[in-house]
Amino acid sequence: EADIYQTPRYLVIGTGKKITLECSQTMGHDKMYWYQQDPGMELHLIHYSYGVNSTEKGDLSSESTVSRIRTEHFPLTLESARPSHTSQYLCASSAGTGRNSPLHFGNGTRLTVT
Amino acid sequence: AQRVTQPEKLLSVFKGAPVELKCNYSYSGSPELFWYVQYSRQRLQLLLRHISRESIKGFTADLNKGETSFHLKKPFAQEEDSAMYYCALYSGGYQKVTFGTGTKLQVIP
Repeated sequence: EADIYQTPRYLVIGTGKKITLECSQTMGHDKMYWYQQDPGMELHLIHYSYGVNSTEKGDLSSESTVSRIRTEHFPLTLESARPSHTSQYLCASSAGTGRNSPLHFGNGTRLTVT
Repeated sequence: AQRVTQPEKLLSVFKGAPVELKCNYSYSGSPELFWYVQYSRQRLQLLLRHISRESIKGFTADLNKGETSFHLKKPFAQEEDSAMYYCALYSGGYQKVTFGTGTKLQVIP
């Protein structure tokens, strides 16, 4: 079944560790996005990609990096995790941009950095 | 820059009462607006989009360019409507989607 998958669902990690949040989609979508969401707050776009080898920074400054080597895979990496990175990270994809291309979201990864 | 405002963090209504979730936006171009919903323990998903002028699960939303609003309405709330609702604006110039802070709808039995 076509879907978008995020792993892990929950991650608790110590300060200074390198982590990678995985996001994969089997919907054949070109566009992929990473949003950061703190409880009760809006979703902030931190990275997006319009296709293979295309990555852009979003509205919210983030110390994370992303890569897009394959259409279906859009991992997010934090080289050195800090408590300020504690948040929920949502991955999304869309077939295109705009009115005819709503976002399809994964279940999210809730990251806690101790 | 584009902005989406949802003034209510929490809206509590009784079952059978009308519901109106407010959304205002600011954008200099032609707006494209959406409502997304997140039910308990489920992922965020599209509810409806203004371009479709559709009614989904009894919800409707009309774009009012004069008031720069896109309020979500339902005449009779059901318990299963309890969820987080996010208004979102697609800005063609930037090809990005901007979300509001969300409103938690609580339908009281």
